[in-house]
Amino acid sequence: EVQVVESGGGLVQPGRSLRLSCAASGFTFDDYAMQWVRQAPGKGLEWVSGINWNSGSVGYADSVKGRFTISRDNAKNSLYLQMNSLRPEDTALYYCAKAAGVKWLQETMTWWGQGTLVTVSS
Amino acid sequence: DIQMTQSPSTLSASVGDRVTITCRASQSISSWLAWYQQKPGKAPKLLISDVSNLESGVPSRFSGSGSGTQFTLTISSLQPDDFATYYCQQYKNLYTFGQGTKLEI
Repeated sequence: EVQVVESGGGLVQPGRSLRLSCAASGFTFDDYAMQWVRQAPGKGLEWVSGINWNSGSVGYADSVKGRFTISRDNAKNSLYLQMNSLRPEDTALYYCAKAAGVKWLQETMTWWGQGTLVTVSS
Repeated sequence: DIQMTQSPSTLSASVGDRVTITCRASQSISSWLAWYQQKPGKAPKLLISDVSNLESGVPSRFSGSGSGTQFTLTISSLQPDDFATYYCQQYKNLYTFGQGTKLEI
């Protein structure tokens, strides 16, 4: 069974950093691109970042570009999101999602984890 | 950036009803359109890709149509399990979601 499990969320002060992780199982991890999508409390979905199967290409939403870095370790079946210079508006539930194919562009998100909550507040 | 606008924001309906949710793109996205269902406290679930392609395991009462800038999600006969929030998503140019349509009793 496909599973993606996020971790690493928590309460952090503005300007600080946090690293999210996503552990994948039940599928051949390096056959698929992966995405991060977030959802602020009571709000809709916002795509954050994506990465190709081999880390050869990545993309970011304008709202996080220059502050967040996506990466993956195929040997560990894991996806990461390094979040620096956090702002209160980054407060959200962060979902890890499996893409439909190998590239992060122009692919649907076929399987989602349950999310990890990031709260940015002093 | 491509903006996605869903209507209505909230839809009240009853079991057995036929309902339609509309999604409009700010520019043509061809067929790069998906629909997701999200229940309270749960992760989104992909229902439909490429406008009308039903994902495996999704009941046939769900259907999608449209092209260019105007798209619809139709549920032919509402079941109790269908009460949720629905999001459209364009994936032609990066990713943008609609604001969501909450389907309630």
